[in-house]
Amino acid sequence: DSGVTQTPKHLITATGQRVTLRCSPRSGDLSVYWYQQSLDQGLQFLIQYYNGEERAKGNILERFSAQQFPDLHSELNLSSLELGDSALYFCASSAHPGQASGANVLTFGAGSRLTVL
Amino acid sequence: QQQVKQSPQSLIVQKGGISIINCAYENTAFDYFPWYQQFPGKGPALLIAIRPDVSEKKEGRFTISFNKSAKQFSLHIMDSQPGDSATYFCAASRWGKLQFGAGTQVVVTP
Repeated sequence: DSGVTQTPKHLITATGQRVTLRCSPRSGDLSVYWYQQSLDQGLQFLIQYYNGEERAKGNILERFSAQQFPDLHSELNLSSLELGDSALYFCASSAHPGQASGANVLTFGAGSRLTVL
Repeated sequence: QQQVKQSPQSLIVQKGGISIINCAYENTAFDYFPWYQQFPGKGPALLIAIRPDVSEKKEGRFTISFNKSAKQFSLHIMDSQPGDSATYFCAASRWGKLQFGAGTQVVVTP
């Protein structure tokens, strides 16, 4: 157990629907990252939050949004789902927001597998 | 546009052999280069990492070699074991944002 908790583990839904993925970071970590893992795209960085504020944005679609709450858990909202959104969605956490030079160790959860039919 | 290119896509090695995975990057601003190991049904987990001011780092059977001028780095798994069978991702980081390579599936045969 990495200490990063993601729910649900599996989710099957239909095109056009909306889903919410939830992540609880490791105790003491202030930063949360969302990654999408698909067979043809590998691990793609979506978005990062640090202590409730958006810190960095990657290849996140406009149909997707995220937030980090005061208790530091985070939710990733996926709307108007398409077949191509089927993937594993990983949440990771770290203690720091990321520094100009230095290690930033990310701890990943087990992922949420989304299947869009 | 993939900022970190990883090869090979997959490799099969016999128990006791050496597994070598290579990565190349473009952005010289990257300042941290970790390797992650992922088993089926699990999230990636940090295996070993290196900073660009070091040419080599060894932790047990795992070694990273780093060539700053060539903008390349590699992972060597010595004395490969069946338990090492997993997908390995190299990554490069700046400001904590990791850019991952496409991954290498390693299979160690008994």
